[in-house]
Amino acid sequence: KNQVEQSPQSLIILEGKNCTLQCNYTVSPFSNLRWYKQDTGRGPVSLTIMTFSENTKSNGRYTATLDADTKQSSLHITASQLSDSASYICVVSSTGTASKLTFGTGTRLQVTL
Amino acid sequence: EAGVAQSPRYKIIEKRQSVAFWCNPISGHATLYWYQQILGQGPKLLIQFQNNGVVDDSQLPKDRFSAERLKGVDSTLKIQPAKLEDSAVYLCASSLLAGSYNEQFFGPGTRLTVL
Repeated sequence: KNQVEQSPQSLIILEGKNCTLQCNYTVSPFSNLRWYKQDTGRGPVSLTIMTFSENTKSNGRYTATLDADTKQSSLHITASQLSDSASYICVVSSTGTASKLTFGTGTRLQVTL
Repeated sequence: EAGVAQSPRYKIIEKRQSVAFWCNPISGHATLYWYQQILGQGPKLLIQFQNNGVVDDSQLPKDRFSAERLKGVDSTLKIQPAKLEDSAVYLCASSLLAGSYNEQFFGPGTRLTVL
């Protein structure tokens, strides 16, 4: 069964600090992995997408890594801001036109003063 | 460009009542998805449309849920009758094409509370 597990479930950090969120998956056959940011009361917004051959991708202060051998990904947030407070969801796609997505349950990040 | 629109944003009903949600995808997007997101969980796909045809409805509780996408644009999702466990956020998403590389753009969701 395809599964995506994220850790930690929740995290509180001080503004300006860095943090790393983890994602482990068992989706097969693997197509790509996306990290989404979901603000409270809003729909998820894609931050990065990574394919099998990519092991790092950045989007501003967000840097995602992918280890396809161990089936692990991480999202590193640098110099956190209050606006980074949100849920971060790891989504893994399997191959095929049906676009089967497996969603993680998310990490709830709170950035405080 | 305008994003995915959904209405209503919030709905409170009693169990056994009926409810309908509406979604207007991004113009030109052929693929439309309805997801159910229970509090503290990731979204779960209910149904996927390609234009006005159903691609995947394997996780749609067909005894009470129905969805349609007439003319391949707007879509409605209906629950009849609602149960307590249907309380969730219902997200609509659209993508230009089907396929895992095509980014899905999500609407703000409709938060349903069943009492």
